[in-house]
Amino acid sequence: DPKIIQKPKYLVAVTGSEKILICEQYLGHNAMYWYRQSAKKPLEFMFSYSYQKLMDNQTASSRFQPQSSKKNHLDLQITALKPDDSATYFCASSQDAGWEQYFGPGTRLTVL
Amino acid sequence: AQSVTQPDARVTVSEGASLQLRCKYSYSGTPYLFWYVQYPRQGLQLLLKYYSGDPVVQGVNGFEAEFSKSNSSFHLRKASVHWSDSAVYFCVLSAKGTNKVVFGTGTRLQVLP
Repeated sequence: DPKIIQKPKYLVAVTGSEKILICEQYLGHNAMYWYRQSAKKPLEFMFSYSYQKLMDNQTASSRFQPQSSKKNHLDLQITALKPDDSATYFCASSQDAGWEQYFGPGTRLTVL
Repeated sequence: AQSVTQPDARVTVSEGASLQLRCKYSYSGTPYLFWYVQYPRQGLQLLLKYYSGDPVVQGVNGFEAEFSKSNSSFHLRKASVHWSDSAVYFCVLSAKGTNKVVFGTGTRLQVLP
């Protein structure tokens, strides 16, 4: 059974629209993360959460907003989508901050 | 400031050959170090981890890495590579209690049959 679920697996959006990427982990971890990977940039850290609190934000744009409704959920809302947002977005979790992370399968977002 | 350097963007070896992927880190405190592998169109998988103790750590699929505090390195090794080892390998640095995780830029390994 997958321990970190990301939904959807593929997502196509039009420029200017808004989408939410879902991440749920069933590992009992306390820390969760979002990363982005595209052809133009290697793996890029976006956010980290610990006990549902934002710990680090390396995303310059406020169009990216993480949302943690439950301890094992960390969704990513992206507004006013741009073609440059096209990438694969990975969610990860770790037992606590600093420990090894486990990654989800990713959501591949294409913005037209 | 923390940083990780993987000096080799691409490495090509023949199947059966030995492998070393280099990783240098910069951190003034006690580092936690990891190697991850990413196969095409997949997420990242943890290969091995180092927190403390024996500087040589064993990972999955015959991989091992050696921590060197004096050299600030955490090189990944494998005695005999297989074509299925072709992937991108990331060296990662973190520390206890910190949310700061630093990824290297990755080394793309190609194993020729």
